[in-house]
Amino acid sequence: KQEVTQIPAALSVPEGENLVLNCSFTDSAIYNLQWFRQDPGKGLTSLLLIQSSQREQTSGRLNASLDKSSGRSTLYIAASQPGDSATYLCAVPLMDSNYQLIWGAGTKLIIKP
Amino acid sequence: NAGVTQTPKFQVLKTGQSMTLQCAQDMNHNSMYWYRQDPGMGLRLIYYSASEGTTDKGEVPNGYNVSRLNKREFSLRLESAAPSQTSVYFCASSPGAPIYYEQYFGPGTRLTVT
Repeated sequence: KQEVTQIPAALSVPEGENLVLNCSFTDSAIYNLQWFRQDPGKGLTSLLLIQSSQREQTSGRLNASLDKSSGRSTLYIAASQPGDSATYLCAVPLMDSNYQLIWGAGTKLIIKP
Repeated sequence: NAGVTQTPKFQVLKTGQSMTLQCAQDMNHNSMYWYRQDPGMGLRLIYYSASEGTTDKGEVPNGYNVSRLNKREFSLRLESAAPSQTSVYFCASSPGAPIYYEQYFGPGTRLTVT
């Protein structure tokens, strides 16, 4: 059964630091891995979708990598800013259901000015 | 272009009451979803609609019903609310299946059942 884990549950870093958020999954047979951002009291926003054939995907200061063999994805945020403070969630589609995603519980990121 | 909209934003119900959560999208997406989010847990899929005219159960469908009213609208109904249904509910849409496409989320409905 696919399980998705995000450790740590919370992270606080000073502004300007580069940081890495982790996402682990138990079944390496995945279609893709998706990273989302959730601001307090709001819905989720898709950040990056990495297909299983890709090793990484970049959008601005964000870079997501995927290592299926080790069951890991990382989200790298360069030069962090207070506006990056949010909860970051990762998700993978369930293999036997094209429409269901399995979600991690998220990492709450606080960037201190 | 409003994206995905949900009503209401907040709701308090007494145990046994019923209510319908409304969701609409203006992106001409084929697929729509209802999730619940509980503290410390990831999102859990309640129901989804792969395309207009179809609905399917997700991970936690018990106690809920859905209607895909047309391509734009997908509603979630609680027939007899229970305290265990206290949660934040999110509607989402996508052009097609998540194995190919990202999902777009509404702002959520915070529901409390007393």
